[in-house]
Amino acid sequence: DVQMTQSPSYLAASPGESVSISCKASKSINTYLAWYQEKPGKTNKLLIYSGSTLQSGTPSRFSGSGSGTDFTLTIRSLEPEDFAVYYCQQHNEYPQTFGGGTKLELK
Amino acid sequence: EVKLQQSGDELVRPGASVKMSCKASGYTFTDYAMHWVKQSPGQGLEWIGTIIPLIDTTSYNQKFKGKATLTADKSSNTAYMELSRLTSEDSAVYYCARGPMVLITPGVMDAWGQGASVTVSS
Repeated sequence: DVQMTQSPSYLAASPGESVSISCKASKSINTYLAWYQEKPGKTNKLLIYSGSTLQSGTPSRFSGSGSGTDFTLTIRSLEPEDFAVYYCQQHNEYPQTFGGGTKLELK
Repeated sequence: EVKLQQSGDELVRPGASVKMSCKASGYTFTDYAMHWVKQSPGQGLEWIGTIIPLIDTTSYNQKFKGKATLTADKSSNTAYMELSRLTSEDSAVYYCARGPMVLITPGVMDAWGQGASVTVSS
């Protein structure tokens, strides 16, 4: 199985700042990497798929980049509603696998 | 609005089985696949399997073969997952999530249910 390693596990930031979250795959997954947002009391939300394609409804301050084994989720100018847990998922091969998550907290 | 409404939390005895449901609304049920995902503190998020309701075809993570059985009822737009021979390792939150109707490659999950907690305890 493809191992997905996210870093950091925790990240503290303030509204208006920009942050980046890393996701590394144990083997090449081409560009087949998705990002999800998890917030208490809400259902999980698909933000980005295929590395950099924004899902409909995802604000443009979110961006994804990378290919092969190294990927990054960047959130520019954080809004209060962005504080959440973020997961990456590879959708290149079975079984699809997830990263361990990054909790973005308010500083 | 796409909505996946999952059944409630369950407390079950070791060795028993549990069957949970995921009722879809807001879209054509047979136009999409349904994934099931396990979330536990020690293992994070794990893909269990996928069912394509239109053709009743399933794909399972090898780890969950024999543990999970996925079915779907097209008449009620509901997907089901049954977990058998439960142990403490099965205590987790389980999610259903919609995906594109393909099995050749894994799909992403563009709508999720609210999750259902299963606690295995005597």
